[in-house]
Amino acid sequence: EIVLTQSPGTLSLSPGERATLSCRASQSVSSSYLAWYQQKPGQAPRLLIYGASSRATGIPDRFSGSGSGTDFTLTISRLEPEDFAVYYCQHYGSSPIFTFGPGTKVDIK
Amino acid sequence: QVTLKESGPVLVKPTETLTLTCTVSELSLRNVRMGVSWIRQPPGKALEWLGYIFSNDEKSYSTSLKSRLSISKDTSKSQVVLNMTNMDPVDTATYYCARIAVVRGVSFDYWGQGTLVTVSS
Repeated sequence: EIVLTQSPGTLSLSPGERATLSCRASQSVSSSYLAWYQQKPGQAPRLLIYGASSRATGIPDRFSGSGSGTDFTLTISRLEPEDFAVYYCQHYGSSPIFTFGPGTKVDIK
Repeated sequence: QVTLKESGPVLVKPTETLTLTCTVSELSLRNVRMGVSWIRQPPGKALEWLGYIFSNDEKSYSTSLKSRLSISKDTSKSQVVLNMTNMDPVDTATYYCARIAVVRGVSFDYWGQGTLVTVSS
């Protein structure tokens, strides 16, 4: 069973700073099936990145994804006020079929 | 405009069966490889995948909840229905339906607004 771990749990940064979020899988996974979501309070999650590094439609280029094997990263190059939110990684596989990480909260320092 | 919208009871009693409906627009459940998933989120906690159904009636469920879940579809109404039996207070959560984007790394590209279901006597 694949388990996703995200770190840190909370990231306190200022607008304009760079955010680096980590997602680690308990075993090697295909990067084709690794996605990232952003969720703001009271809203549904929004797809940011799929296939580990492809931006979804309408996602600004300050968001980028990278990684392979067991280690994946979501980077926000310069935080905008609207980027303070919770971020989840998600994997599609065979067992379990869909897995989400516990999330990283990016809050204002 | 692709939209999904969940509907159903806001309050259920312990041991009851929850039935939620996801109505999809601009999406045809007849399209090849069109899939809809149910995902839930307890207050203040992470997302949990529950199950999915595809246009060809392929289904899959979370291993831990498989015995309590049933997902079906009514193509003529563009609706996907989730049934969860034997509800418990720990099942209190916001329940989302979401489209499975097979061409986007098998991710969820469109989500409903979610519906909060509280389990309490």
